[in-house]
Amino acid sequence: GAGVSQSPRYKVAKRGQDVALRCDPISGHVSLFWYQQALGQGPEFLTYFQNEAQLDKSGLPSDRFFAERPEGSVSTLKIQRTQQEDSAVYLCASSLGAGVDEQYFGPGTRLTVT
Amino acid sequence: GDSVTQMEGPVTLSEEAFLTINCTYTATGYPSLFWYVQYPGEGLQLLLKATKADDKGSNKGFEATYRKETTSFHLEKGSVQVSDSAVYFCALRGGGYQKVTFGTGTKLQVIP
Repeated sequence: GAGVSQSPRYKVAKRGQDVALRCDPISGHVSLFWYQQALGQGPEFLTYFQNEAQLDKSGLPSDRFFAERPEGSVSTLKIQRTQQEDSAVYLCASSLGAGVDEQYFGPGTRLTVT
Repeated sequence: GDSVTQMEGPVTLSEEAFLTINCTYTATGYPSLFWYVQYPGEGLQLLLKATKADDKGSNKGFEATYRKETTSFHLEKGSVQVSDSAVYFCALRGGGYQKVTFGTGTKLQVIP
């Protein structure tokens, strides 16, 4: 079956621009996660949704970062007024239940801010 | 807070050599432990996991044992192949929490 998909795969933005990154989780998966992976580092947690409810946004680095999942399926991570330090790969993951199930990762969106 | 420390790479081995990638962790409670693998051009995949002390996770010839007394979860494989070349991430999920905390990754290169 289809896995987690993300779009676009690559995004170049000029500093100060707003960007929107999309995640399509595996159909029927209740939980959705966003992670940020800087070059040469491991992924770092940004935020977590259970259906449409954002239950944990403790990892969002600033109020320029905003995520939503309005219908409990597709999610969008928005970054306003992008800065160079926002350059990273943004990973989306989903899991079947609301418990501690395996997380399935998408291929990521590589954001480069120039 | 939770943290994971793993050995820095890159690690270069000849085919059929023995592999060990060290991983230690700091966490409150009783975390679940994971090894993820990222092959070139692909997304993160779960390689193996262990959910309680003394559990051994294994998959594709890789194994790791959850050692609570040493807070470690070292990854081992008896005979590596060129196709094992990838970046390996040790990770944990704290008890009762959803988010996964990752190490910085260890790049493995296996040469024929």
